[in-house]
Amino acid sequence: DAKTTQPTSMDCAEGRAANLPCNHSTISGNEYVYWYRQIHSQGPQYIIHGLKNNETNEMASLIITEDRKSSTLILPHATLRDTAVYYCIVSSYGQNFVFGPGTRLSVLP
Amino acid sequence: DTGVSQDPRHKITKRGQNVTFRCDPISEHNRLYWYRQTLGQGPEFLTYFQNEAQLEKSRLLSDRFSAERPKGSFSTLEIQRTEQGDSAMYLCASSRTTEGNEQFFGPGTRLTVL
Repeated sequence: DAKTTQPTSMDCAEGRAANLPCNHSTISGNEYVYWYRQIHSQGPQYIIHGLKNNETNEMASLIITEDRKSSTLILPHATLRDTAVYYCIVSSYGQNFVFGPGTRLSVLP
Repeated sequence: DTGVSQDPRHKITKRGQNVTFRCDPISEHNRLYWYRQTLGQGPEFLTYFQNEAQLEKSRLLSDRFSAERPKGSFSTLEIQRTEQGDSAMYLCASSRTTEGNEQFFGPGTRLTVL
């Protein structure tokens, strides 16, 4: 079973920030938080990952709470092309990924 | 394009036939993973290799499934005596052998068993 809990679906207006939450209350000290997204019929696309500190790259920002029991993926200016299923995964070094059902994000015009 | 390629992209076969899929990972990546994804579900882990060694197999990988990575580069996944329940997207991913290593996924092979 997946170690994460995400809302089933979310809507976001185009141009606004999309904030996708993820709960991982049983995360271990050596486990990273990874975010991927999947657009229909394509392979999952890596977005960002982190261990303890907040992370930012050209696609998104990852905010991890101090106790590491939850995190938020932020897409700063959502576009229609960001409509996808977003997966939050917790995994340690050498482990395979266990995907849950993810959050279906719909960016609305 | 992540640099991971899979062939074929689509395969239609009749029940009982054997099928083989190929995955070419990013060249410097030691690890190669296979996942299966059915409609409306997240990907499910099947097996992974570090170089040519198959280090882990899921219980989902029945004895009709076999995977190889003979020279530590490309990998093949074979399904013998296909069943309708094998219809799914088969995804390959690769990664480096470093802590926090992200996996990069290929486009997948969609299998339809009639």
